Parts: sequence; structure tokens; C-alpha cells
Amino acid sequence: EAGVAQSPRYKIIEKRQSVAFWCNPISGHATLYWYQQILGQGPKLLIQFQNNGVVDDSQLPKDRFSAERLKGVDSTLKIQPAKLEDSAVYLCASSLSGQAYEQYFGPGTRLTVT
Amino acid sequence: SQQGEEDPQALSIQEGENATMNCSYKTSINNLQWYRQNSGRGLVHLILIRSNEREKHSGRLRVTLDTSKKSSSLLITASRAADTASYFCATDAFFGNEKLTFGTGTRLTIIP
Repeated sequence: EAGVAQSPRYKIIEKRQSVAFWCNPISGHATLYWYQQILGQGPKLLIQFQNNGVVDDSQLPKDRFSAERLKGVDSTLKIQPAKLEDSAVYLCASSLSGQAYEQYFGPGTRLTVT
Repeated sequence: SQQGEEDPQALSIQEGENATMNCSYKTSINNLQWYRQNSGRGLVHLILIRSNEREKHSGRLRVTLDTSKKSSSLLITASRAADTASYFCATDAFFGNEKLTFGTGTRLTIIP
């Protein structure tokens, strides 16, 4: 079974530039998550989709971050404009829908904002 | 905000010894999960324990859950060098829409 795919793996941009991350979840997984993990901390949920609908985006900085999940499969997360504090690893995860299911994580995108 | 807090923040033990990590959380949960993260394999699910369970085993892993104290522990027996990683607890809150909230993590180092 193929895992969660993410690209790019690394990205370096200057502040105020824009950046986009892509995620392809495991086939058949209805729920998709984007997390931000700052060095030394645990992952923090940014947005959760079920199929192509948003379930939770309460911690997404909506003035600069946006995300979409077209056709309930792939997803993109965008930051525009980036700030220095956005430097982090952005993790995508997917799971089967319903309670008590584990999440499968992709390798992440390490973003450095200079 | 972080729901779970792991303790200790860092732990170093000799290979072959047992490692115990603790997690405390704040709100009622449906289940609690433990994940491992290392540079080679990213975040990997280890074990899930439901709120009505008190103990669960998986290979060399033993997890306990005390909902009255809002705490959980992860025991790794007979540690190996490959167990070197960061370990996170994650809680699925009772009204959380299957959302996981991760703790701050315990950094475990196994000394060969």
C-alpha cells in the first residue's frame, strides 16, 4: 500500500513570498489533515478535511494560509505572504473516517523562511 | 494549544533497559494514541487505547490509561538502538471531530 505523498520535501523562501505544498493521501482515506510542526514541539493541526469539506480550521491563520482539497483526494496548502515564524515542517496525514482510526503521515515539507 | 504534556522531556537509557514515558491531558477523550518520530521514518503510529480500556500491549510496547487522572504511560521493554526517537501522545477529544491534539513529546536516546 502506497503511503501519504508530499512535495516538495524542502523549500527555502524569503519572507513575504508565497509557497504551496501538495499532498496525496492514501487511497480510500476520506479524512485529510495538515499539521505544522515547529522544531522541538509536537504537530499542531492546521486544517482537517472530510472528503472535500472542511471539518476544522480553527487553528489556521486564515489571513495568510489557505488550503483546498479538490475532488476529495489531493490537497494543497498555501502560505501567502510567508513570515519568519512560518519556518516549520508541514505534515500531511490521512485516515479512514470515523473514530478510533490511526493517522498515516507523509514525510513532511521542511520550510525555511529567511 | 497542546492538550497533552509528556514527561520527561528527554530520557537516555542503556540498550536493553526499559523506558517509561508519561502523558497527561486536560479534557475527556475518546481514545489516546502514541506516535514515534525519527528522522528516517517520520511520524509513525504505535498504539491506540480507547477510553474504556486500561491497558494494551503491542510487541515490546505496553500502554496504560487512567482516565480518572487523565494520564497515560508508554513502556518500551528491552530497548534497542532503533528505538531512539521522539515519542508523542495524541488525544482524540470527546467532542473533537476525530481531531488529534499532540503533546510536546519525549526525546528518547538509547545508548548502545
